[in-house]
Amino acid sequence: DQQVKQNSPSLSVQEGRISILNCDYTNSMFDYFLWYKKYPAEGPTFLISISSIKDKNEDGRFTVFLNKSAKHLSLHIVPSQPGDSAVYFCAARGLSGAGSYQLTFGKGTKLSVIP
Amino acid sequence: IAGITQAPTSQILAAGRRMTLRCTQDMRHNAMYWYRQDLGLGLRLIHYSNTAGTTGKGEVPDGYSVSRANTDDFPLTLASAVPSQTSVYFCASSDSSQRAFFGQGTRLTVV
Repeated sequence: DQQVKQNSPSLSVQEGRISILNCDYTNSMFDYFLWYKKYPAEGPTFLISISSIKDKNEDGRFTVFLNKSAKHLSLHIVPSQPGDSAVYFCAARGLSGAGSYQLTFGKGTKLSVIP
Repeated sequence: IAGITQAPTSQILAAGRRMTLRCTQDMRHNAMYWYRQDLGLGLRLIHYSNTAGTTGKGEVPDGYSVSRANTDDFPLTLASAVPSQTSVYFCASSDSSQRAFFGQGTRLTVV
């Protein structure tokens, strides 16, 4: 049972336009959400995060929105640039059965920004 | 600043052989993790360690073992490799913010 879902495997956007990447989760106990960006042959790198007590967090061109009632978060990139082309992973933090925090990742969305 | 260092970067391994993937961090993070990334499946947690001397099982632990003798090192061992363990393996560590910092990955092919 996948607790963090990214239903769009890929997304193509024109340079300068907005990219919207979506993520849904099922576990209401998740308290912290993160987005990671991954280029080919590199490890994922942290992009932006949001606490469950907030509904928006902004960092430059990147904004993450959280809708707790819908168990949905989205990452907005405005304006999109060709260098944003990468795979984006949504992750959620929750307590494991052993009582420690763990991150659960979605399957990723491959963003292609077309010049 | 190195962050997370993984070795080797890639390896072709015969089925049935034993293999240890190495991971070292220099950030003094308490928590460390091993993930595997497979096409269409995202990142799945294999094993984790919250602090030196402790380890725990993640989502897909079978066929893998880990040890955490000190803060900096977190090796992942495949006792007898099978083709289904062909994957890209990422080691990560996290600070108190729970933001995970990833290594560059090890691409393992089991033939």
